[in-house]
Amino acid sequence: SQQGEEDPQALSIQEGENATMNCSYKTSINNLQWYRQNSGRGLVHLILIRSNEREKHSGRLRVTLDTSKKSSSLLITASRAADTASYFCATPPRIQGAQKLVFGQGTRLTINP
Amino acid sequence: NAGVTQTPKFQVLKTGQSMTLQCAQDMNHEYMSWYRQDPGMGLRLIHYSVGAGITDQGEVPNGYNVSRSTTEDFPLRLLSAAPSQTSVYFCASSRQGPEYGYTFGSGTRLTVV
Repeated sequence: SQQGEEDPQALSIQEGENATMNCSYKTSINNLQWYRQNSGRGLVHLILIRSNEREKHSGRLRVTLDTSKKSSSLLITASRAADTASYFCATPPRIQGAQKLVFGQGTRLTINP
Repeated sequence: NAGVTQTPKFQVLKTGQSMTLQCAQDMNHEYMSWYRQDPGMGLRLIHYSVGAGITDQGEVPNGYNVSRSTTEDFPLRLLSAAPSQTSVYFCASSRQGPEYGYTFGSGTRLTVV
């Protein structure tokens, strides 16, 4: 079963608006990562937030983490057409030697001009 | 600095054919992984390697082989292609391990007819 589940599955907003995507996960984590995937391309690592952090910023991105609710959110401020992409959260399982990330299904974000 | 390079970008195979998907990275990363991405299934780990000469199975290894003779290269071999292997395949690498984030290649879209 997947660890992370994003909500909503799809989001369409006007350029300049803020976009918020949510991720819920099931088990305890060491960190949570967000990735972006443009159509037909590979995933790009955006930001990593550790379990002892509550908020992290990178440019127009703001990530929050609530370990008590097992949830994270990604906020993109002042959206641009180039932000159109799918966004995935991913977590490393807290299993000794587990060399992988567990990805959610992703949120498809469309920025309309 | 090319990052992670995957070839080919597109491939059509007939059922029963074999082929090798190539993956090379120039970042001297020890950790390399192969994922497949399917609609509704997210990304699933096929095989991974923690260094030259060391490989291990992921979640969905059946029908695939890997080897890691050098740090740079991590090819994925399909032994006898089946329609169920129609997917987009991503190679990813990491310096310290997936817990610290991946660099992904741009993917290979494979269709098995």
